Amino acid sequence: ETGVTQTPRHLVMGMTNKKSLKCEQHLGHNAMYWYKQSAKKPLELMFVYSLEERVENNSVPSRFSPECPNSSHLFLHLHTLQPEDSALYLCASSLRTSGGTYNEQFFGPGTRLTVL
Amino acid sequence: KQEVTQIPAALSVPEGENLVLNCSFTDSAIYNLQWFRQDPGKGLTSLLLIQSSQREQTSGRLNASLDKSSGRSTLYIAASQPGDSATYLCAVIWGGSNYKLTFGKGTLLTVNP
Repeated sequence: ETGVTQTPRHLVMGMTNKKSLKCEQHLGHNAMYWYKQSAKKPLELMFVYSLEERVENNSVPSRFSPECPNSSHLFLHLHTLQPEDSALYLCASSLRTSGGTYNEQFFGPGTRLTVL
Repeated sequence: KQEVTQIPAALSVPEGENLVLNCSFTDSAIYNLQWFRQDPGKGLTSLLLIQSSQREQTSGRLNASLDKSSGRSTLYIAASQPGDSATYLCAVIWGGSNYKLTFGKGTLLTVNP
């Protein structure tokens, strides 16, 4: 596997379910991101992890819970979602340099989530 | 509020035509600007990244320009091909946060054979 991979690619869940999205990067990066892409709206940044520490939570509801166990893996745990949470969830990664700057972000293919 | 706007929302051109996609942003204090391509149901592919100190970047048939003072960037595609059909997204990182991409809604490009 190369680049940024995401599983599953498609997910349908009920409002009472608990599910998790997985992202894995094979680029040697140390920063990872979750984005949400809803119909008719711009891509929105949700969370950022740098060196496995959360550095950004962009006012995301607590029914979305991120986890970054190491620099290569990022999860998004989902519980009691609403139909309006249906969207394409994209993961990205980049390299944070020793000087604190972040290089170009590379994106995965996304997980298409449908909440019934 | 820092925002990115892309006009037009959709564009249809015949194959072989040169075209320009537009991006405008509300705050000139940017860190960098990036153009992406997104195919239907797929993730994003980075096309060009322009640092705040640069005026343009080129890759193959693509040329992106940046004018911070006017808050504008353009993506020029030469000799368009049907395979160029996709949504093109412009995203800005503003100074103060060197990782937070703010995206426009994109321009859906269709190149007709």
